[in-house]
Amino acid sequence: AQSVTQPDIHITVSEGASLELRCNYSYGATPYLFWYVQSPGQGLQLLLKYFSGDTLVQGIKGFEAEFKRSQSSFNLRKPSVHWSDAAEYFCAVVISNFGNEKLTFGTGTRLTIIP
Amino acid sequence: NAGVMQNPRHLVRRRGQEARLRCSPMKGHSHVYWYRQLPEEGLKFMVYLQKENIIDESGMPKERFSAEFPKEGPSILRIQQVVRGDSAAYFCASSPSRSSGGQDTQYFGPGTRLTVL
Repeated sequence: AQSVTQPDIHITVSEGASLELRCNYSYGATPYLFWYVQSPGQGLQLLLKYFSGDTLVQGIKGFEAEFKRSQSSFNLRKPSVHWSDAAEYFCAVVISNFGNEKLTFGTGTRLTIIP
Repeated sequence: NAGVMQNPRHLVRRRGQEARLRCSPMKGHSHVYWYRQLPEEGLKFMVYLQKENIIDESGMPKERFSAEFPKEGPSILRIQQVVRGDSAAYFCASSPSRSSGGQDTQYFGPGTRLTVL
């Protein structure tokens, strides 16, 4: 079965600093990959997704992610974080089964921004 | 276009009571997924439904939990005889899946936070 690993439970960065959140997946084929963000007490908002094509994907709020097949990774990056980026970030994969696109999530990375 | 709606947002039940969680998908979406988020954990898939059909319930506990998505009305996740371990946030997501292989995005509702006393 596929799995998703987010090795960093909690990351703290200074406002204006760059950010990279790690995500590794385990599956033989190329899955469909997603990053979601969850603010406290809220639902999940899609930041970006990768299905195929260009391995560098641009998302909302200035985020991007790069798919690296050789490393089974899909790390999320942002050049300069803002205080409003403080939230929980989830990486997720879908192994499509012809319409059944249930997501498998990592355990999340909590991002704290300091002034 | 309204997003995915869930109600109630917060639900408190005593042990042994029933909990009913509702999810109205986005307009035009006919596929609903339910996920559960236990405290300090990621989301775990529970069940996938299409109108009037349960497609995949591999993530549902074998007892006390059931789900439906009728022809008319919202999808319902029902938990009978709740226990403290059922306390969690329950999210539903909808998609317009065209059965074309993982190319449709799931849009999430705000969740229902269930507390069992």
